[in-house]
Amino acid sequence: LAKTTQPISMDSYEGQEVNITCSHNNIATNDYITWYQQFPSQGPRFIIQGYKTKVTNEVASLFIPADRKSSTLSLPRVSLSDTAVYYCLVGDGYSSASKIIFGSGTRLSIRP
Amino acid sequence: EAQVTQNPRYLITVTGKKLTVTCSQNMNHEYMSWYRQDPGLGLRQIYYSMNVEVTDKGDVPEGYKVSRKEKRNFPLILESPSPNQTSLYFCASSFGQGNPPLHFGNGTRLTVT
Repeated sequence: LAKTTQPISMDSYEGQEVNITCSHNNIATNDYITWYQQFPSQGPRFIIQGYKTKVTNEVASLFIPADRKSSTLSLPRVSLSDTAVYYCLVGDGYSSASKIIFGSGTRLSIRP
Repeated sequence: EAQVTQNPRYLITVTGKKLTVTCSQNMNHEYMSWYRQDPGLGLRQIYYSMNVEVTDKGDVPEGYKVSRKEKRNFPLILESPSPNQTSLYFCASSFGQGNPPLHFGNGTRLTVT
């Protein structure tokens, strides 16, 4: 499974766009990139998933360059309720090594 | 409503007293997994199951047991709990094919004194 590296923490302000980058230099051909959001004392919640180029849903966008060695989660116009920990996961998930590993995540703090 | 249900939400027990944390999902998911979350250590996988009667160790399986007799249920068993198993536990599930997202339960906060 590819290891991921994310910033430990980030700060921003309401109304701003926030970009969180994840490095995954050893990503394999079959690996997808998945992002989760976690609020205190709650289970992580799926945000977005992609394989290459750009994916957008009602919550976020995910940018993946051609070499796929990194990805960027983009949160448009954040609000205080976006304060949470964000996890980047890489893997095909369901090969023989199905240990889905969460890293330390990025603690995002949004200020008024 | 599609969900993963864990019980209990909070549990305080004493060292050595066997306990079971239940996990049930109503989405017909093949894959289920247990995690523990501790401050500064993130989410660590305890056990996972690819399907009924198929279970395997995650990163921190010591002191835990699981079973998968039915597709919807994946209980976590602590035969002899110890204080270092005080933690926040999460159960998760997903479809077994492809790369579907994990659905998490609301967590069980366990304290072992």
